[in-house]
Amino acid sequence: AQKITQTQPGMFVQEKEAVTLDCTYDTSDQSYGLFWYKQPSSGEMIFLIYQGSYDEQNATEGRYSLNFQKARKSANLVISASQLGDSAMYFCAMRPLYYGNNRLAFGKGNQVVVIP
Amino acid sequence: NAGVMQNPRHLVRRRGQEARLRCSPMKGHSHVYWYRQLPEEGLKFMVYLQKENIIDESGMPKERFSAEFPKEGPSILRIQQVVRGDSAAYFCASSPGGTGGRYEQYFGPGTRLTVT
Repeated sequence: AQKITQTQPGMFVQEKEAVTLDCTYDTSDQSYGLFWYKQPSSGEMIFLIYQGSYDEQNATEGRYSLNFQKARKSANLVISASQLGDSAMYFCAMRPLYYGNNRLAFGKGNQVVVIP
Repeated sequence: NAGVMQNPRHLVRRRGQEARLRCSPMKGHSHVYWYRQLPEEGLKFMVYLQKENIIDESGMPKERFSAEFPKEGPSILRIQQVVRGDSAAYFCASSPGGTGGRYEQYFGPGTRLTVT
């Protein structure tokens, strides 16, 4: 079974500054994928970024980057140059990458509020 | 390109009634997933379906809940004899492939079910 832990309290971030959202995970699988999703107040879930357990490079997607530390089982999301539209809940998720299991396991989320 | 479509967006049911939630996957996606989100929680996996097949229903409550993805038409999540504890946001996601690969799951806007 997979477990995702997101324990940071709600965060206030100044516009244009960077913010790091913590995510640690626990799994016995050797091959797995890590995902970050954004949920604004409107409620939809928006896919942001993916990191595979065997990827040697940290993933980047525009202003989003993933600080992947496999030995520490952490997959922190870094948002650079925060914008007001980044205010949302952010969820870390993972699933094994083997046949027969496609269940995403989610953490409880990190709340981010960007202030002008 | 239409994303994942869910309807209705909001649904109110009295205790004991049936709730039917519909999901149309993204064009070209044949894998559908249902997740439930309780207030202040992350999403919890319920069921994974392909056309006419339930692949993984390990997250479905044993009673009152069922899901289908027919050859034609949307996927349906059905909750019979709803109770107050069923009040939640129900998200549908789809992916172009299934297990064994990266295959990001793209989410619909969700259906907010309120049981009165």
